[in-house]
Parts: sequence; structure tokens; C-alpha cells
Amino acid sequence: NAGVTQTPKFQVLKTGQSMTLQCAQDMNHNSMYWYRQDPGMGLRLIYYSASEGTTDKGEVPNGYNVSRLNKREFSLRLESAAPSQTSVYFCASSGGSHDNEQFFGPGTRLTVL
Amino acid sequence: AQSVTQPDIHITVSEGASLELRCNYSYGATPYLFWYVQSPGQGLQLLLKYFSGDTLVQGIKGFEAEFKRSQSSFNLRKPSVHWSDAAEYFCAVRNTGNQFYFGTGTSLTVIP
Repeated sequence: NAGVTQTPKFQVLKTGQSMTLQCAQDMNHNSMYWYRQDPGMGLRLIYYSASEGTTDKGEVPNGYNVSRLNKREFSLRLESAAPSQTSVYFCASSGGSHDNEQFFGPGTRLTVL
Repeated sequence: AQSVTQPDIHITVSEGASLELRCNYSYGATPYLFWYVQSPGQGLQLLLKYFSGDTLVQGIKGFEAEFKRSQSSFNLRKPSVHWSDAAEYFCAVRNTGNQFYFGTGTSLTVIP
């Protein structure tokens, strides 16, 4: 039982390049989330998916797209990376019941030059 | 709108001393509240959660938190801090739509 996994762990991009961050969970959770973490800002929600086939914008969606490929996988795509997207990205999942917490992946540290 | 405030950006305590980290929330209905800990370079790990019942909840690593509805607070406490408790701590509230809102975090330094 691996929990929530993310790939890659580290990535360096040049401005304008694109990339996809991958996330998978093996806990049969309905809900999945993408956050970014910046110093002094806490975690800010980029997108979330309440269930397979649905996605919704969070607090900071601009410059990102997501795909809920199936119940297990939720990917985050940067179409044209900008230096402002330099951050640590966390994927999380939740079972959806009122007493369920979120389980987090180890994070992806992204630098955009 | 839901929000979480952690007033203390950084706290320093001596090993063996007691600890209290503050958390205030804004939420119209019964809140579902969480405390997470993040060690450097790691993801977030759940310490404890509250959703109903006894307002004093126990968590892992000797932590506890008390829900006070009248003060909209959910403060985290530990009677005696260990050096390994040095980390970043996040308070979060969950709404009925299964969205989570996090505070900006409190960084804890433990002095030997």
C-alpha cells in the first residue's frame, strides 16, 4: 500500500516549456487535489477532483490544467511554464467521508528558470 | 467563506517545555478540523482531527488539541517538546464539499 505517489520528485524547466506532474493513489479515494506550497503562503489549492470524471478550480488555477484519468490518477499540466510557478507541488487524496482527512504525496519541487 | 488563521509564523521553545500553537477558523457550519505536521523536505502527516464529540482530541506523538466553538479556535498543545518535534505545523478546516483550507503554517524551532 504505497498511499499517494508523485513523479517526478524534482524538475527544472525553462520558461515556456511544458510538463505534466503525475499523481496516483491506491486507497480507492474519490477525491484528489493539487496544491502548491510557497514560503509564507501555506498550501494553496490549484485544482481538485471530487470524483472520477469531475474537476474544479481551486484558489490559484491560472496557468494549470488537470486530468482525472481514472479513480487512481490525477495529473497536473503546466502548458507554458513561468518563473512564478516555481514552487513545491503536493498531490493529496481523501476518502470523502466527513471524518476523512487528506493523505499527501511527498511533493514535487519545480524550478522554472 | 472558510478560512484558517495561524497567528504565529514562528515559535521557538526549549526542549522539555510545553507548547501551544494557535489556530482560528472561520466557518459557518460545524467545522471538521485537522492539524498536520511537515518535516523539512517531506509531505504533510496528520497529527489529529476533530469532527464531533469530545472537544479535546488526542493525536500522535503526544499532541492534543482543544476545539472551542465560542472562540472559533482549535489550538494544538504538547506538554513536553522533543527536539524531533521541530517542523512546520498546519491547521486546516474541511467543508461539506470536501474542500480543505489550510493556514499559512507555524514553524517550530526547538532549542536543546
